[in-house]
Amino acid sequence: DAGVIQSPRHEVTEMGQEVTLRCKPISGHDYLFWYRQTMMRGLELLIYFNNNVPIDDSGMPEDRFSAKMPNASFSTLKIQPSEPRDSAVYFCASSLAFTGELFFGEGSRLTVL
Amino acid sequence: KQEVTQIPAALSVPEGENLVLNCSFTDSAIYNLQWFRQDPGKGLTSLLLIQSSQREQTSGRLNASLDKSSGRSTLYIAASQPGDSATYLCAVISGGYNKLIFGAGTRLAVHP
Repeated sequence: DAGVIQSPRHEVTEMGQEVTLRCKPISGHDYLFWYRQTMMRGLELLIYFNNNVPIDDSGMPEDRFSAKMPNASFSTLKIQPSEPRDSAVYFCASSLAFTGELFFGEGSRLTVL
Repeated sequence: KQEVTQIPAALSVPEGENLVLNCSFTDSAIYNLQWFRQDPGKGLTSLLLIQSSQREQTSGRLNASLDKSSGRSTLYIAASQPGDSATYLCAVISGGYNKLIFGAGTRLAVHP
């Protein structure tokens, strides 16, 4: 298996623009997680899905953030409009079970100017 | 509130040393604890997963122990190598929070 695949790896955009980050989980994994990593706050869980259904989005910072999982092999995290404080590395991860081993993608490094 | 603390924050050692990285958590009602490795500019790689009913897990030169009652886990790295240089993070899932809570990590540098 190729592992968790994220795109783009790097994104530089201007404040106010829409940003869409993409994730393909490991085939057969029922759980998908979106994390954000910054120097100040470390790793924060934004939202997670079980069988394509959002279960807990309490970590989504604002209404500017939204996430979807239209099928078992694809998820998006959208920021609209983006702000400089959204600059971070966004990770997608998947697992077979909620308490199972977690596999991370390589991350999408977002810079908002 | 579950809090995960890792000590030390950074560690620099010569090659060949045996190392102990520490992780502590405030709520002992956990489902499991995981240790990850993160290389600069990369994602996290799972190293060891310890279920709440287990006391330790081993993989190669790595050994992780779990003491739920004291809220502690240690990651033991035997015969360290420069390739072990990375940030090591521990994370727990506890029943009251239903999410993986991460520590801030220990940044390890092993020099030849």
